[in-house]
Amino acid sequence: DAGVTQSPTHLIKTRGQHVTLRCSPISGHKSVSWYQQVLGQGPQFIFQYYEKEERGRGNFPDRFSARQFPNYSSELNVNALLLGDSALYLCASSLGTGGGQPQHFGDGTRLSIL
Amino acid sequence: RKEVEQDPGPFNVPEGATVAFNCTYSNSASQSFFWYRQDCRKEPKLLMSVYSSGNEDGRFTAQLNRASQYISLLIRDSKLSDSATYLCVVNLAGSARQLTFGSGTQLTVLP
Repeated sequence: DAGVTQSPTHLIKTRGQHVTLRCSPISGHKSVSWYQQVLGQGPQFIFQYYEKEERGRGNFPDRFSARQFPNYSSELNVNALLLGDSALYLCASSLGTGGGQPQHFGDGTRLSIL
Repeated sequence: RKEVEQDPGPFNVPEGATVAFNCTYSNSASQSFFWYRQDCRKEPKLLMSVYSSGNEDGRFTAQLNRASQYISLLIRDSKLSDSATYLCVVNLAGSARQLTFGSGTQLTVLP
């Protein structure tokens, strides 16, 4: 079975541009979460979606937005890119929203801002 | 204070050594606890969940002390393939699937 898939794998943008990152969860998983990981740090929570509704939001500016589609895939959008947005963006899926359920991560999208 | 704090790394140990990682968390309402492993430039992968009674998975043993808000991971008989960054992760009660990660501890097992 396919794991969590993310696209693109790498992306280079310039300041002020916007970007859309995509994620397909494991088949049957209805919950998708997004994380940002900057070099040398652990992943930091951005959003969680379940059944197309936002269930959680981390401490990120409004430039960050996301949505989930009927097939449970998800998009993360970032507007007005800043140099500090350079990071690995990770998507994770799980069956539901129970705290004890393991999350499975995709390979991530490596975003570089010039 | 960070919500999840881990031992500063890196740890460089010889093959066959026993190594222990420690982690503390600040929110007493934390409900679920995990250790994830992350290889260089790869995604985090669940290593093991951590239960109140402590749990073991082969060479790996995890312990949880709720009173001290402390989590540990013990790796026995280290292998070269254990070289990775180990991330301590907690899930707050009521926060659905929001995981809070520590900064990670880098382990290098030397031949």
